[in-house]
Amino acid sequence: DTAVSQTPKYLVTQMGNDKSIKCEQNLGHDTMYWYKQDSKKFLKIMFSYNNKELIINETVPNRFSPKSPDKAHLNLHINSLELGDSAVYFCASSQREGSGNTIYFGEGSWLTVV
Amino acid sequence: GEDVEQSLFLSVREGDSSVINCTYTDSSSTYLYWYKQEPGAGLQLLTYIFSNMDMKQDQRLTVLLNKKDKHLSLRIADTQTGDSAIYFCAEKSGGYQKVTFGTGTKLQVIP
Repeated sequence: DTAVSQTPKYLVTQMGNDKSIKCEQNLGHDTMYWYKQDSKKFLKIMFSYNNKELIINETVPNRFSPKSPDKAHLNLHINSLELGDSAVYFCASSQREGSGNTIYFGEGSWLTVV
Repeated sequence: GEDVEQSLFLSVREGDSSVINCTYTDSSSTYLYWYKQEPGAGLQLLTYIFSNMDMKQDQRLTVLLNKKDKHLSLRIADTQTGDSAIYFCAEKSGGYQKVTFGTGTKLQVIP
């Protein structure tokens, strides 16, 4: 059973389009994240939700809107896609209080904007 | 603020030990982690250390933490070709326990 699953794994789309990436975790965690990994492999946090409440919002353009319908899901919607949005987007989850608060990652969604 | 730095590249021969270094700036870090990323895959947790520890050993992996110098290292004994990957250190700190990742070190193991 996949702990953190995100779809789609690969997405190629044109500039200006709107797209969504979905994420689900079956670990019973209360915190979920979106990270962006650029072409140089740098990994930056974008958002974090705890019990469906937004707790971390880094300097991400307004075109990115996360939505957490429940604790097990955190979706990422991107409006008006730009070339610079091309990256790998990782969803992750953790339990805020607990052993190490280890973050578990999904396999990533490869977004290419053309 | 949080800045986590690593050297970008390390090359070792199979069977040798690898040492990957990491420096961080936030003295309030609570946990420090090492993750491994293989090509085309997500990040896999290797090990973590609580900030009041200075060493942790787990099979071939040894983590050393020098809190005074804000320096973390990962030693991989008897490095194998399957260890070739990018290794990220990360620190957890702040009120919301944000996890900040380092720049990643690409480990190349030469047969």
